[in-house]
Amino acid sequence: AQKVTQAQTEISVVEKEDVTLDCVYETRDTTYYLFWYKQPPSGELVFLIRRNSFDEQNEISGRYSWNFQKSTSSFNFTITASQVVDSAVYFCALSATFGSGTYKYIFGTGTRLKVLA
Amino acid sequence: KAGVTQTPRYLIKTRGQQVTLSCSPISGHRSVSWYQQTPGQGLQFLFEYFSETQRNKGNFPGRFSGRQFSNSRSEMNVSTLELGDSALYLCASSLGGQERSYTFGSGTRLTVV
Repeated sequence: AQKVTQAQTEISVVEKEDVTLDCVYETRDTTYYLFWYKQPPSGELVFLIRRNSFDEQNEISGRYSWNFQKSTSSFNFTITASQVVDSAVYFCALSATFGSGTYKYIFGTGTRLKVLA
Repeated sequence: KAGVTQTPRYLIKTRGQQVTLSCSPISGHRSVSWYQQTPGQGLQFLFEYFSETQRNKGNFPGRFSGRQFSNSRSEMNVSTLELGDSALYLCASSLGGQERSYTFGSGTRLTVV
């Protein structure tokens, strides 16, 4: 089965704290892609990062970093020194085929992050 | 460059009516996908269109349909509206391909009363 699990429904932190959002995925594909999106209160999901299944290098972009580990099927997202503007719902997604040659995007249920001033 | 445009932003309809939502993708994007977002179910995939052909379909009843025009603009239609159809409907466009990220519109908030 193809599945994305974001076990944390909601996280609250105080500004400047570090926070990690967990994402665990399941797929039988050897080639797949993982994504993170941010959905602020305005409603529009914004693409943050993509990883392919062959690239396990961690990535850092400013205060954001991502840890991809195939051994644990996880693609976690860390925000360092969180800010109020980071408050949003964050979605992890998997793009995988279903054996038919076509692919589908599967989103996790999202983690609502609240950063308190 | 212009983003993904969805119209209208808000809609209130009565049970039993039908509704059409519109999505204009980013110029050059040939793939348009539709998602339904509700607090209880999260983001549920409705369908994807690529070059005017439906390429993928989610597990929604036949009351939900869509189409894509030659300019890549897409519409989705919901007939015989039910209260449970109240949701945020999001459209996403991409160049197509498994590795592509999506650009989302701001959504249409549909309320069925």
